[in-house]
Amino acid sequence: QKEVEQNSGPLSVPEGAIASLNCTYSDRGSQSFFWYRQYSGKSPELIMSIYSNGDKEDGRFTAQLNKASQYVSLLIRDSQPSDSATYLCAGSGGFKTIFGAGTRLFVKA
Amino acid sequence: ETGVTQSPTHLIKTRGQQVTLRCSSQSGHNTVSWYQQALGQGPQFIFQYYREEENGRGNFPPRFSGLQFPNYSSELNVNALELDDSALYLCASSVSRGGSGNTIYFGEGSWLTVV
Repeated sequence: QKEVEQNSGPLSVPEGAIASLNCTYSDRGSQSFFWYRQYSGKSPELIMSIYSNGDKEDGRFTAQLNKASQYVSLLIRDSQPSDSATYLCAGSGGFKTIFGAGTRLFVKA
Repeated sequence: ETGVTQSPTHLIKTRGQQVTLRCSSQSGHNTVSWYQQALGQGPQFIFQYYREEENGRGNFPPRFSGLQFPNYSSELNVNALELDDSALYLCASSVSRGGSGNTIYFGEGSWLTVV
């Protein structure tokens, strides 16, 4: 059983639209959750972290966490072609951070 | 820029050989984790080092080993290379505060190709 699951996509949205990325996790001991963006051929870079139930906003990005449903999401408002990348969801509850396989996002100009 | 540096960036090895990858952590970070990312997959946790000791390991065989030095830099060693070891190897540093869920920051990675 995968510990962090994401739809592999690709998710395609037009420029200016809202992109919605989702993730579920199985380890109820996970306390911290992260979204990383990874461009092709590059390493993952941290976009957002979220620790409490509810929403957390940072610029065009909003992370949402629902621990009861074991669900994490990332909304990207006003999507730009430069947002085209793979988005990795990750959860951490101890010494290791577990990643999903990522969702590929394409933003069409 | 995360301040985490890795070397080499690319290398090609022959099956059966050994490889050492190096990582310098971000200033102030005392914990180093190593991940393997195969094409099309998410990063897979190999192990983590804190205070020069391995304090967590993923589902990788013993031929994957590591070290952490007093300056918190780290090495990943892989013996008896197999073709399936071809991947991007990521080093990540963080600050361990004794709790859970430390935020990790990745270096640029080392691309290993085994032929």
